Amino acid sequence: ILNVEQSPQSLHVQEGDSTNFTCSFPSSNFYALHWYRWETAKSPEALFVMTLNGDEKKKGRISATLNTKEGYSYLYIKGSQPEDSATYLCAFNLIQGAQKLVFGQGTRLTINP
Amino acid sequence: ETGVTQTPRHLVMGMTNKKSLKCEQHLGHNAMYWYKQSAKKPLELMFVYSLEERVENNSVPSRFSPECPNSSHLFLHLHTLQPEDSALYLCASSQDLGERGHFGPGTRLTVL
Repeated sequence: ILNVEQSPQSLHVQEGDSTNFTCSFPSSNFYALHWYRWETAKSPEALFVMTLNGDEKKKGRISATLNTKEGYSYLYIKGSQPEDSATYLCAFNLIQGAQKLVFGQGTRLTINP
Repeated sequence: ETGVTQTPRHLVMGMTNKKSLKCEQHLGHNAMYWYKQSAKKPLELMFVYSLEERVENNSVPSRFSPECPNSSHLFLHLHTLQPEDSALYLCASSQDLGERGHFGPGTRLTVL
C-alpha cells in the first residue's frame, strides 16, 4: 500500500512569519513529486512538479525542496500573507503502468492577520 | 472559454438514478483524469485517459463508468450508486501523463 504522509495536518501562522511543512513518500519507483494549493471553494492549483533529487523550485515567496533518496519534500512559505491560507497537497507520482498519482491528506494552513 | 469546466456543480441523486458528470478542457491537453474527494480522505485517483484511451482504472466499482469521446471531453456515468459514494468529484487534465494537472471546480455529489 502506497502511503503519502503530510505533516502537520493543520497549521496556524501569524501574518509575516515564515513556515514550512513536510511531505513523506516511498523512495522506490519514484517519478515525480507534485505540490498543489487548494483554496476553499476553488480548484486545486499546481505549484511545482519536481523530478530530480536535490531539486529546489521557487515561485514568489513559496519554495520547495526534494530528497528522493530519503523520500521527503519540504514546502516553505516566506513572510506569510492571508492569501496563503489554503490546503497544500503533495502527490507522489510513481511509474506503474500509466504513472499512478497518490495524494497526501494535505496540510491546512491558516494565516492569522 | 479556457481551463477545465465541470457540470453540474452540484448533484443530488437517488440510489436507483442514472446520471452523468461532464468535464471539458480547452487547453489542448492529452491526458484527463477523474478524482474523488471524500470527507477526511486524500484525493483519490479513479481513472486516467491518455489520447482518449483509458490507461488506468484504480479499482473503481463498475457503478462508475468513464467515457472519453474526444480529447476535450470526459464523462463519468453513474448508476445505482450508494450513499457512501457521496463526495466531490474532480476532473483534471495535463499536457501529457505525469505533468502538472489543471483541475476543474468539481461536482459535489450527494446520493440519498
